[in-house]
Amino acid sequence: QQQVKQSPQSLIVQKGGISIINCAYENTAFDYFPWYQQFPGKGPALLIAIRPDVSEKKEGRFTISFNKSAKQFSLHIMDSQPGDSATYFCAASANTGNQFYFGTGTSLTVIP
Amino acid sequence: DTEVTQTPKHLVMGMTNKKSLKCEQHMGHRAMYWYKQKAKKPPELMFVYSYEKLSINESVPSRFSPECPNSSLLNLHLHALQPEDSALYLCASSRRLLRGPYNEQFFGPGTRLTVL
Repeated sequence: QQQVKQSPQSLIVQKGGISIINCAYENTAFDYFPWYQQFPGKGPALLIAIRPDVSEKKEGRFTISFNKSAKQFSLHIMDSQPGDSATYFCAASANTGNQFYFGTGTSLTVIP
Repeated sequence: DTEVTQTPKHLVMGMTNKKSLKCEQHMGHRAMYWYKQKAKKPPELMFVYSYEKLSINESVPSRFSPECPNSSLLNLHLHALQPEDSALYLCASSRRLLRGPYNEQFFGPGTRLTVL
């Protein structure tokens, strides 16, 4: 059973546009929601993360929006650049354990 | 410093070989992980060590044998692998803080394993 559902599977955005990736979860015990960026042949890199006590977190061009009641969170990449082309994974974990549950990934392509 | 290192970067082995993957972190993290990742798929959890003790084994075949010699090192011993075991093997570590992010997890660059 997929604990975290991610969409879309792939996304093509023009340079300068906004990329939006969505994730949803069911387990209300989750209290930490990171996003990872992965380039081909590399390990995932922690991009930005949020806890459920805030509804939004912004770091540079990257923003997480969090809707606790809907159990959804999303990553917004503003002013998308070709260098942002990568696979993005959302994840979730609960403070009671060490396990992280990953979404299925979104392949983002930013075209010049 | 948020670095997790892994060696080797690439490994090619036959089905009868024995090899080991190594992972190291010096961030004081007490949870360490092995993941397997196939192309275009999310990381798939294999093992979790918490305070040097194996806490999660996701029904991984016995041809994969993890070892945590100390709080900074994690090994994955490989024996009699199959071609379908070819994948990117990722090590990660995480920390739990009373303040700030909980369970912040950092990945290493991975070892690209090819089984012939």
